[in-house]
Amino acid sequence: SQKIEQNSEALNIQEGKTATLTCNYTNYSPAYLQWYRQDPGRGPVFLLLIRENEKEKRKERLKVTFDTTLKQSLFHITASQPADSATYLCALPRGSQGNLIFGKGTKLSVKP
Amino acid sequence: GAVVSQHPSWVICKSGTSVKIECRSLDFQATTMFWYRQFPKQSLMLMATSNEGSKATYEQGVEKDKFLINHASLTLSTLTVTSAHPEDSSFYICSGLIVRTGMNTEAFFGQGTRLTVV
Repeated sequence: SQKIEQNSEALNIQEGKTATLTCNYTNYSPAYLQWYRQDPGRGPVFLLLIRENEKEKRKERLKVTFDTTLKQSLFHITASQPADSATYLCALPRGSQGNLIFGKGTKLSVKP
Repeated sequence: GAVVSQHPSWVICKSGTSVKIECRSLDFQATTMFWYRQFPKQSLMLMATSNEGSKATYEQGVEKDKFLINHASLTLSTLTVTSAHPEDSSFYICSGLIVRTGMNTEAFFGQGTRLTVV
């Protein structure tokens, strides 16, 4: 069955450093992969989508890579800030209607 | 971005009662909405796919008679948890989809509903 793994449950870094989160998947060849941010008690908010034919995508301080050979995506936040503290989820499309399967998420804490 | 409004944001109910959760797409039409459930420190798990004007499609293991879904209009889907039990206590989240150019889809989520059954 399809599986998504975000192997770090939590990541603590110092303000100003680059945070790198990992998403691995198995038994799957997705057309694209998405990253979401979720704050406590809130629904996820879409951040970035990267397609299978794209190696890298950037949006402001965010950078996502997608390696379909390794079946892995890396999510980077450069010059991290305490306001970046949240849980970050990767998601893959499943089925023809656009529903998503999610990883468990990585809780990022940025200390000042 | 598009807005999905979910109500209520939290609810406490007695065991055996029913609770209705509403999900509205405020500025787009959602022919398809999804209902997820999230337990603490767990990923979002898809419960069902709600299609406007037709029956919902439930994921394996989700009881359709317990989790009633109605999607009567392009902007409103409701989830009713019937005869709720403490094990139904969870965070319920709905989402609507917008298909962008190039067939990329972007999901917009509601704020979530924290259900506590006592």
